[in-house]
Amino acid sequence: AQSVTQPDIHITVSEGASLELRCNYSYGATPYLFWYVQSPGQGLQLLLKYFSGDTLVQGIKGFEAEFKRSQSSFNLRKPSVHWSDAAEYFCAVGNPGGSQGNLIFGKGTKLSVKP
Amino acid sequence: DGGITQSPKYLFRKEGQNVTLSCEQNLNHDAMYWYRQDPGQGLRLIYYSQIVNDFQKGDIAEGYSVSREKKESFPLTVTSAQKNPTAFYLCASSPRDVGRSEQYFGPGTRLTVT
Repeated sequence: AQSVTQPDIHITVSEGASLELRCNYSYGATPYLFWYVQSPGQGLQLLLKYFSGDTLVQGIKGFEAEFKRSQSSFNLRKPSVHWSDAAEYFCAVGNPGGSQGNLIFGKGTKLSVKP
Repeated sequence: DGGITQSPKYLFRKEGQNVTLSCEQNLNHDAMYWYRQDPGQGLRLIYYSQIVNDFQKGDIAEGYSVSREKKESFPLTVTSAQKNPTAFYLCASSPRDVGRSEQYFGPGTRLTVT
């Protein structure tokens, strides 16, 4: 069965510092991969997605993610964090070959930004 | 503007009452979904629908019901059988088969049952 693990429940970084949020997945083939962001009390907004091709994916708000098949990972990165990036981040995996199913979400990583 | 609307933003109900959460989309998407979000639990799928008049149970469907009479609308009813209904509920839609494309989310409805 597919699964998504976000090992870090809460991360705090200083404004201007770099950021990496970890995501590991379990799936038999190359899945569809997504990162979403959620501000408190709001819905989820898609940051970026990976379906195939170039393993380094650029997204909105200056975020990027790299798909590493050998590590079953899809980590999210940003070179310089802004205070407005404080939010909760969710990694998700889709099932490109399945007739059933949906996106499987990780439990999220909450990002706090220190001034 | 295209998007997904959920109403109301906040909903309060007494225990034992059924309540229906609204979800409407004007993105012309085929698939729609309902998720429940609790702190530290991530998103858990309640129901999803790939086409009109068809829907499937997700991981936590007990105590919930849905209908899909129109492509644009996918209302969720939280019944009195749901043991712990207080949560944040998110509706989403996607343009293609479930699992094959990104999902677009509404702003959510926070339901409080006392």
